[in-house]
Amino acid sequence: GENVEQHPSTLSVQEGDSAVIKCTYSDSASNYFPWYKQELGKGPQLIIDIRSNVGEKKDQRIAVTLNKTAKHFSLHITETQPEDSAVYFCAARLPNFGNEKLTFGTGTRLTIIP
Amino acid sequence: DTAVSQTPKYLVTQMGNDKSIKCEQNLGHDTMYWYKQDSKKFLKIMFSYNNKELIINETVPNRFSPKSPDKAHLNLHINSLELGDSAVYFCASSLTPYSNQPQHFGDGTRLSIL
Repeated sequence: GENVEQHPSTLSVQEGDSAVIKCTYSDSASNYFPWYKQELGKGPQLIIDIRSNVGEKKDQRIAVTLNKTAKHFSLHITETQPEDSAVYFCAARLPNFGNEKLTFGTGTRLTIIP
Repeated sequence: DTAVSQTPKYLVTQMGNDKSIKCEQNLGHDTMYWYKQDSKKFLKIMFSYNNKELIINETVPNRFSPKSPDKAHLNLHINSLELGDSAVYFCASSLTPYSNQPQHFGDGTRLSIL
């Protein structure tokens, strides 16, 4: 099965600075990599995703990069704001003929310091 | 309108009791999931249903029995609750069970066993 490692587990960043969260996965056949943001008392919310045929994707202040050779992908948040404070999860999905499941990383608690 | 809704939001009960959690999605998705998030925030899939049929069962104890009366609903019944069942349970849905389809999560049910 797939195994996803995520670092760091906690990250504090000054408001306006950039934040980077990194994940590695174990199975080179994984082909879909979403990132979720979880605010207190809420469910995970998809913020950006990337497919294995793309190396980078950007959506306003958020970008994700994927290095298939090294089997790692990263989330980049620029110009951080207090509302970016949350727990962020990476995930990887392994194709399996309709029995696919997401394997999540262990989460990163991001705190933006005003 | 809430896309994936779970009830109840909080559930406090005694060890040994039986309880149910309900989930409904109004997104028109075919696939629904149950996840468990432990105290360390680790998210792990439990079950997945596609069009009312079970497609993933992640070696969950048979005290847990999911039921899907139709593709918009996936309920979770838990018998003989144990202390280790204390967690937040999330329901999610996706358009299909295949790769590259984003999953949408509910806001969770916090289950506390006394």
